[in-house]
Amino acid sequence: DTGVSQDPRHKITKRGQNVTFRCDPISEHNRLYWYRQTLGQGPEFLTYFQNEAQLEKSRLLSDRFSAERPKGSFSTLEIQRTEQGDSAMYLCASSFGTTGDEQFFGPGTRLTVL
Amino acid sequence: RKEVEQDPGPFNVPEGATVAFNCTYSNSASQSFFWYRQDCRKEPKLLMSVYSSGNEDGRFTAQLNRASQYISLLIRDSKLSDSATYLCVVLAEFMDTGRRALTFGSGTRLQVQP
Repeated sequence: DTGVSQDPRHKITKRGQNVTFRCDPISEHNRLYWYRQTLGQGPEFLTYFQNEAQLEKSRLLSDRFSAERPKGSFSTLEIQRTEQGDSAMYLCASSFGTTGDEQFFGPGTRLTVL
Repeated sequence: RKEVEQDPGPFNVPEGATVAFNCTYSNSASQSFFWYRQDCRKEPKLLMSVYSSGNEDGRFTAQLNRASQYISLLIRDSKLSDSATYLCVVLAEFMDTGRRALTFGSGTRLQVQP
């Protein structure tokens, strides 16, 4: 499968714990995005990488959230001291170059904070 | 006011019916427009782009009215497999970061019944 992959697919954690999610984009795609989606809502933008550079962060991304893309390939999203309000589907998407209008989404990581 | 607004539905229609979804957007600088389809607990997938001249892909027709900031999707001869949530999506480019930002509506749920 050469699409966007995410790991894990599901994560259940207790409030206050740290969690880390991984995204592997389509190999030739230089742009990578993280979104969060809650029930009944469309995906909301969290952060964006072009190659290894994190160029933008949404104000939705509090100080407890950090994302990296160290070699311009896979990316990680870490949430520290999780809260129940962090429960959501975390989606990763990638696109290519200057014409990257079509973003290809991974299957998402569903986070449940108890 | 949300940047992209859609009627959440659900739209319950019989097989073979024609159904239309509408969407309005508030950012007049939006450059590109799309309809994404999202099945329950799955990732969004691009259904079709929307062009100013209107475009058709099989049973699906998309229209854009830039003056009214309005997008529509028409599905003819509905199939059971069309049951999903349809997300209206607009794209704007942020010149400072190069981010091509997708803003999603909350989606319109379609249930096609036998």
